[in-house]
Amino acid sequence: GESVGLHLPTLSVQEGDNSIINCAYSNSASDYFIWYKQESGKGPQFIIDIRSNMDKRQGQRVTVLLNKTVKHLSLQIAATQPGDSAVYFCAERDDYGQNFVFGPGTRLSVLP
Amino acid sequence: EAQVTQNPRYLITVTGKKLTVTCSQNMNHEYMSWYRQDPGLGLRQIYYSMNVEVTDKGDVPEGYKVSRKEKRNFPLILESPSPNQTSLYFCASSLFTPGDRGNYGYTFGSGTRLTVV
Repeated sequence: GESVGLHLPTLSVQEGDNSIINCAYSNSASDYFIWYKQESGKGPQFIIDIRSNMDKRQGQRVTVLLNKTVKHLSLQIAATQPGDSAVYFCAERDDYGQNFVFGPGTRLSVLP
Repeated sequence: EAQVTQNPRYLITVTGKKLTVTCSQNMNHEYMSWYRQDPGLGLRQIYYSMNVEVTDKGDVPEGYKVSRKEKRNFPLILESPSPNQTSLYFCASSLFTPGDRGNYGYTFGSGTRLTVV
């Protein structure tokens, strides 16, 4: 059955600080991962992706790190802004390469 | 603008009254999928479709039907809605095609908030 609690993990950071959001994934054979951002009242939006043959990938203000040894993903947001307040999901692609499994999400709150 | 369009955005209905949530994409994607989102449970896949007339069950298909008669449309049908189907529903599409393990993510619609009383 489900082991996730009813409340989303929440990360509160001061505006201008760096944010780190973590995610544990389950399938060691997964070859592709994506981070999505979901703002209130909207659908999830693609932020950044990484393939399993990479350890790190950088975008504009965002960096994704992949640690395959411990099946861990992290999303780093530099100089966090109020517009970064949202729920962030990691997603891993399944063995067949056709569907994604989503993590439970982390709510990021940016304090003024 | 490339997008996935869902309708309606909000719907309140009564138990047992059949309803359809529409989903349309203008990106010529072959792959489409429906998810439901519940507090603490994240996004769970209901059904997906690889192409026209090809649909498969996801993780939580009970109580739902889908059809894919045209590439652009993928409606979600609740024949006899029940209160446990109260949820936030998302349609998504992707460039993905079978056998291609390229870097393809999902484009999501804006969501349909369904309440069954």
